[in-house]
Amino acid sequence: DTGVSQDPRHKITKRGQNVTFRCDPISEHNRLYWYRQTLGQGPEFLTYFQNEAQLEKSRLLSDRFSAERPKGSFSTLEIQRTEQGDSAMYLCASSTHGQESEAFFGQGTRLTVV
Amino acid sequence: KNQVEQSPQSLIILEGKNCTLQCNYTVSPFSNLRWYKQDTGRGPVSLTIMTFSENTKSNGRYTATLDADTKQSSLHITASQLSDSASYICVVSATGGGNKLTFGTGTQLKVEL
Repeated sequence: DTGVSQDPRHKITKRGQNVTFRCDPISEHNRLYWYRQTLGQGPEFLTYFQNEAQLEKSRLLSDRFSAERPKGSFSTLEIQRTEQGDSAMYLCASSTHGQESEAFFGQGTRLTVV
Repeated sequence: KNQVEQSPQSLIILEGKNCTLQCNYTVSPFSNLRWYKQDTGRGPVSLTIMTFSENTKSNGRYTATLDADTKQSSLHITASQLSDSASYICVVSATGGGNKLTFGTGTQLKVEL
């Protein structure tokens, strides 16, 4: 499978716990994006990487959120001290360089904080 | 603030009928506009891309239009099928900023027998 892969697909955690999600982009894509999507809404931008450099972070990404892409390949998104409001679908996408390059999305990780 | 608004919020049509979804945007400076289809529980998949100079683009039963002057786009679906039931999201990209995408909230389409 050469698409964007996310793991896990589903995560249920207790409030206050830390969670980490992984995204494996399409291998030749140097750009990687994280989005959050709540029910009935479109995806909201969280952050993006070009290779290993994190070039932009949304104000939605509070201090409890951190993302890394250490070798410019896979990326992780960690949420510390989870809150019920963090419950959402977390989508990862990747693309090549260029304004018209298509962003290919993974199937997402659905987080439920109880 | 860059925004993308879509209408209607939801739509129910009978199989075989046509429908048109609308998208208005205020993203600037404009680079391109894509329509994505998102099946429940899955990531969005691109249907069409429109750049500033393009007015109409078709992909099978999907036809997208763009009016860059009024900052409006539409997605027309002909001869709808049950498998067209999904959320259709309008996504606009601004020049610069690493291809950051601004998403609309989507139109939830349901095709019934």
